[in-house]
Amino acid sequence: NAGVTQTPKFQVLKTGQSMTLQCAQDMNHEYMSWYRQDPGMGLRLIHYSVGAGITDQGEVPNGYNVSRSTTEDFPLRLLSAAPSQTSVYFCASRQKLVPGELFFGEGSRLTVL
Amino acid sequence: GESVGLHLPTLSVQEGDNSIINCAYSNSASDYFIWYKQESGKGPQFIIDIRSNMDKRQGQRVTVLLNKTVKHLSLQIAATQPGDSAVYFCAETTNAGKSTFGDGTTLTVKP
Repeated sequence: NAGVTQTPKFQVLKTGQSMTLQCAQDMNHEYMSWYRQDPGMGLRLIHYSVGAGITDQGEVPNGYNVSRSTTEDFPLRLLSAAPSQTSVYFCASRQKLVPGELFFGEGSRLTVL
Repeated sequence: GESVGLHLPTLSVQEGDNSIINCAYSNSASDYFIWYKQESGKGPQFIIDIRSNMDKRQGQRVTVLLNKTVKHLSLQIAATQPGDSAVYFCAETTNAGKSTFGDGTTLTVKP
């Protein structure tokens, strides 16, 4: 099993550009989520999903969209990138019904100029 | 009143000493808590968890204590080693499955 795979690992955007961060997991996890981590800070929840077709907002959802058309994939879309969205983004998944650990991807470092 | 450990953004300990890392959580409806360790350039990794119906759980060299009255968690690391140097986060999970993280503590172990 590959676990949680994020692409790309690094990305530089100009202000106003759009892009999608990809996240895929092969563990048949129902719960998937996106976090952002800014320097010296904790992880803040952007969006999460408890199953295919279901998404909900986290603490900092503005400027981001998500969809969950399959169990495996949970892409994060930046509609119009802003410098404030410069951050490291982590995707995480776990089984929904049994409380358990989140499995994290390696992170995607995004810089918006 | 009861004394509660303060959350510190950084903690420096001598190799071989015990470490205590504190965390305050916000949601009284949270029923599941996890401590994660994050090494530089990597995603967080699971250390130990505890359910809300428990007040203590022990693992290998680590112990988590939960005080629901004051919404406080602590992570105790025994005989701290240089490999324990990392950022440590607590996370709370609600019945709805939403997991949110507390502020991290950077642990530095001096040889």
